[in-house]
Amino acid sequence: DTAVSQTPKYLVTQMGNDKSIKCEQNLGHDTMYWYKQDSKKFLKIMFSYNNKELIINETVPNRFSPKSPDKAHLNLHINSLELGDSAVYFCASSQESGVNEQFFGPGTRLTVL
Amino acid sequence: AQSVAQPEDQVNVAEGNPLTVKCTYSVSGNPYLFWYVQYPNRGLQFLLKYITGDNLVKGSYGFEAEFNKSQTSFHLKKPSALVSDSALYFCALNDYKLSFGAGTTVTVRA
Repeated sequence: DTAVSQTPKYLVTQMGNDKSIKCEQNLGHDTMYWYKQDSKKFLKIMFSYNNKELIINETVPNRFSPKSPDKAHLNLHINSLELGDSAVYFCASSQESGVNEQFFGPGTRLTVL
Repeated sequence: AQSVAQPEDQVNVAEGNPLTVKCTYSVSGNPYLFWYVQYPNRGLQFLLKYITGDNLVKGSYGFEAEFNKSQTSFHLKKPSALVSDSALYFCALNDYKLSFGAGTTVTVRA
């Protein structure tokens, strides 16, 4: 069983479109995250949710809207896609607190044309 | 503000030789430090962490890391590298969020 899964794995779309990426974890964790990895492999946190509540929002454009229907799911919806949104997006989860390691999904490679 | 730095973009070693990947950090309080590895087209995998206690931390796949408070470093080491260790390695620091270094690409040649 995959611990943290994301769908889709690849997403190719046109500028201006709206798209969603789904994430699910079956580890029973209470905190979930979205990260963006750019073409230079830099990793940066975008959002963090704890028990369905937003706790970190790292100055991400409001075209990006995370939604957590329950503790096991954290989806990312992106409106009006731009060329600069092209990246790999990773979902992760952990038990709350900074001492616990995070478990990452396989990533979603988003390409905006 | 917290930060981590990985001073080397690339590390190349021969199989069987020791491998070291460097990491330095800056934080105002106690550091929670992590190492992750990313294989091509895969997500990140946790290797090890330092929270408190013994300065030498042992992790997955034969890796270990030494926490040095005076030098603010947390270098990753493996006594004998394998070709399969070739990957991208990230050091990370957790204050209220996980901040990653820029990554070090390790190439182990046969």
